[in-house]
Amino acid sequence: NAGVTQTPKFQVLKTGQSMTLQCAQDMNHEYMSWYRQDPGMGLRLIHYSVGAGITDQGEVPNGYNVSRSTTEDFPLRLLSAAPSQTSVYFCASRPGQGAGYGYTFGSGTRLTVV
Amino acid sequence: TQLLEQSPQFLSIQEGENLTVYCNSSSVFSSLQWYRQEPGEGPVLLVTVVTGGEVKKLKRLTFQFGDARKDSSLHITAAQPGDTGLYLCARGSTGGFKTIFGAGTRLFVKA
Repeated sequence: NAGVTQTPKFQVLKTGQSMTLQCAQDMNHEYMSWYRQDPGMGLRLIHYSVGAGITDQGEVPNGYNVSRSTTEDFPLRLLSAAPSQTSVYFCASRPGQGAGYGYTFGSGTRLTVV
Repeated sequence: TQLLEQSPQFLSIQEGENLTVYCNSSSVFSSLQWYRQEPGEGPVLLVTVVTGGEVKKLKRLTFQFGDARKDSSLHITAAQPGDTGLYLCARGSTGGFKTIFGAGTRLFVKA
C-alpha cells in the first residue's frame, strides 16, 4: 500500500518555466490538498479537492492550477515559475470531511526556482 | 481569523526531560490534530481530539484539548532523541473543507 506518492522529489526550474507536480493516492480518499511549506510559516494551503471534478482555492492559490479528473490523481501545475515559488510542496489526502479524519501526506517535492 | 499559534517555536532539551508544547486559537474549533514531521518527510498524524477536556495518550505522549476548545497541549514524558522533529497542530476551518496548520514547534532532543 503506497499511500500518497509525489513525483518528482527534487526539481530546479528557471524563472518563467512551467511544470506539473504529480500526486497519486491509492486509498480511495475523497479529499486531496496541496500545501507549500516555507521556513517559519508552517503549511499553507494552495488548492484542495473534495472529489473528482471538484476543486477550490486555498490560502495561496495564485500562480498555481489544479484539476481532479480521477479520485486517485491531483496534479499541481505551476504556470510560470517565479523565485517566490521556491518551497517544499506536499500533497495530502483524507477519507472525508468529518472531524476525526486526519491527512496522509506524501514525502514532498522540493522545488527551487532560479 | 482562524489562525493557530504554537509555542514555543523552538525547544532544545536533554534526553530524559519532560516538555509541553502548546497550540492556541482565538476561536473555538470542533477538532484538532497533532502531527510530527521529520526532516525530508511529510507530516505524520499522531492524534485527533474532538471533545472539550479530552485527554489522549500515545505511549509517552499526552494530548489534551482545552475545555473551551480554543487550545491544546502536547506533553512528552522522558523525551528521547527519536522524538526530535517538528510538531504541528491543525484544525478544520468553518465548514470543514480546509485544514489550517500552525507554524509548528521544532523539538531537538540531545542524547
